Amino acid sequence: GAVVSQHPSWVICKSGTSVKIECRSLDFQATTMFWYRQFPKQSLMLMATSNEGSKATYEQGVEKDKFLINHASLTLSTLTVTSAHPEDSSFYICSARDPDGSFQQYFGPGTRLTVT
Amino acid sequence: GQQVMQIPQYQHVQEGEDFTTYCNSSTTLSNIQWYKQRPGGHPVFLIQLVKSGEVKKQKRLTFQFGEAKKNSSLHITATQTTEVGTYFCASGTYKYIFGTGTRLKVLA
Repeated sequence: GAVVSQHPSWVICKSGTSVKIECRSLDFQATTMFWYRQFPKQSLMLMATSNEGSKATYEQGVEKDKFLINHASLTLSTLTVTSAHPEDSSFYICSARDPDGSFQQYFGPGTRLTVT
Repeated sequence: GQQVMQIPQYQHVQEGEDFTTYCNSSTTLSNIQWYKQRPGGHPVFLIQLVKSGEVKKQKRLTFQFGEAKKNSSLHITATQTTEVGTYFCASGTYKYIFGTGTRLKVLA
């Protein structure tokens, strides 16, 4: 099956700094990727849909100026958390749709962000 | 907006007992997917259902999609300790909404 990687797997940063998370499709091209956020013992909440070559589509309540998404190539999408605060600490997971056309998503391993 | 609820929120079973989680939507779903997330891990796709009333089986797992396409269920027969984790239903085409999840613990 398709493989999605994420980097870093975990990161600790100081309040006020920015953190970039990379999501790569390793063996297929992904015109669309999705970014989710998951708090402990909660479900996945879709933050935004990342579209290759165009602007991301953000879900209601997600600040686009705070969570910058760039999808510059068919295999790479990045999420930058700007001016991070402790409340941004969470598990961030990206996914890509099945390149064969089904609705199945392939998820990256996730990035655990801790803001101190 | 569309909400997808799952019940129960938690389930503890003895190894060998059956387990069922239910997924309910306030609106008609175009499809339903089921994912399993192990503690500390990421969601892994289990199956996808598209047709009204569809039933699919994977070994001891049985997945159903309701006739009205507003609900779905996942049933595990004779659970094993390796099946601990959180089971999520999800739906969508251009974007996805996840259910609230059912956390399964299996006691040996």
